[in-house]
Amino acid sequence: GAGVSQSPRYKVAKRGQDVALRCDPISGHVSLFWYQQALGQGPEFLTYFQNEAQLDKSGLPSDRFFAERPEGSVSTLKIQRTQQEDSAVYLCASSYHRGDTDTQYFGPGTRLTVL
Amino acid sequence: AQSVTQLDSHVSVSEGTPVLLRCNYSSSYSPSLFWYVQHPNKGLQLLLKYTSAATLVKGINGFEAEFKKSETSFHLTKPSAHMSDAAEYFCVVSDLGGATNKLIFGTGTLLAVQP
Repeated sequence: GAGVSQSPRYKVAKRGQDVALRCDPISGHVSLFWYQQALGQGPEFLTYFQNEAQLDKSGLPSDRFFAERPEGSVSTLKIQRTQQEDSAVYLCASSYHRGDTDTQYFGPGTRLTVL
Repeated sequence: AQSVTQLDSHVSVSEGTPVLLRCNYSSSYSPSLFWYVQHPNKGLQLLLKYTSAATLVKGINGFEAEFKKSETSFHLTKPSAHMSDAAEYFCVVSDLGGATNKLIFGTGTLLAVQP
């Protein structure tokens, strides 16, 4: 079956623009995660969904960041009024359950560049 | 709180020689530990995971890791490096004890394989 897909793969935005990043998880996966990976760093947690419920948004860096998963499948990460420090690769991952041993499967990421 | 420390940011080996990528962890619980690999412009791929079963964990592509509680280490090894192993490797711990199964990544080790 298909893996996790993300679109667009690359996004260039001018400072102050709003962007929307899409994640299509593996079909049937309950859990969905967003991570942010700055250049030369490991990914850092942003937010977590279990089905359509956003159970943890503790990693979102500011109120300009918003995520949703309205029907429990596709998720969108929205960044309002983008800033240069938002430039990073945004990774989406999904897993079948939320068990601590469950494998998270990652998409290829969206590379956001804010000019 | 859980954390991982990758002791080398860059490792260079010759093709056919052993690979050792070092990782130490800190955890208040019995941890779940993972190694992920990231090839350029590709998604993170799980190499192997430790979930309190056998301390020696075998993964894909000939990699293995040994969980050593006394040393709080989870080093990744491979007997013979291949050119295709050149990539960035992340040691990861699962954040236990909360409502979220988020992953906490190390800063990564870039593996170069020389011909």
